[in-house]
Amino acid sequence: KAGVTQTPRYLIKTRGQQVTLSCSPISGHRSVSWYQQTPGQGLQFLFEYFSETQRNKGNFPGRFSGRQFSNSRSEMNVSTLELGDSALYLCASRSRDIYTGELFFGEGSRLTVL
Amino acid sequence: AQKVTQAQTEISVVEKEDVTLDCVYETRDTTYYLFWYKQPPSGELVFLIRRNSFDEQNEISGRYSWNFQKSTSSFNFTITASQVVDSAVYFCALDGGTSYGKLTFGQGTILTVHP
Repeated sequence: KAGVTQTPRYLIKTRGQQVTLSCSPISGHRSVSWYQQTPGQGLQFLFEYFSETQRNKGNFPGRFSGRQFSNSRSEMNVSTLELGDSALYLCASRSRDIYTGELFFGEGSRLTVL
Repeated sequence: AQKVTQAQTEISVVEKEDVTLDCVYETRDTTYYLFWYKQPPSGELVFLIRRNSFDEQNEISGRYSWNFQKSTSSFNFTITASQVVDSAVYFCALDGGTSYGKLTFGQGTILTVHP
């Protein structure tokens, strides 16, 4: 059974640009969550999607957005990149609608903003 | 607000030693879930265990064991006879009753096991 797949794995952008990251959940999983991991702030929740609807959102500015497609694949977008956006962005999928299932994480997309 | 505290930033042990990673949490939810994840250098968070707030039974899985004490809001993780392959960052996390996929993570504990 394939795990959570994130693309690209590594990318370098410059300030002011925008970036789109992709996440394919485990087959059959309908909930997708996104997290940002930085040395200073640790792991922080960005948002969660289920059946193409955003159900929960963390405390991030509007530059961070996401969406989910009918096949449960998800994308997140960061516009007008800032140096502080450099981070590992992790996607996780969950099998069940309710919160009892564990999250399965991908290997992440490591974004460097210059 | 929910909070998870992992007081140990870094732990260094020699192979075959036992090591305990501490986790203390805060939540107002009566139903919640606690997790431990392992993050090797590759970056992926590997699920280790999930425990719900109504189940205070300790659990053992091979060399791993977990001690959940609701009275002290702690969910500690012990590795018995540590191995070099156990070297990683370990995260404790809390999932509240209506969080919809939002885990609150601790800051993580870097475990280094020396041969």
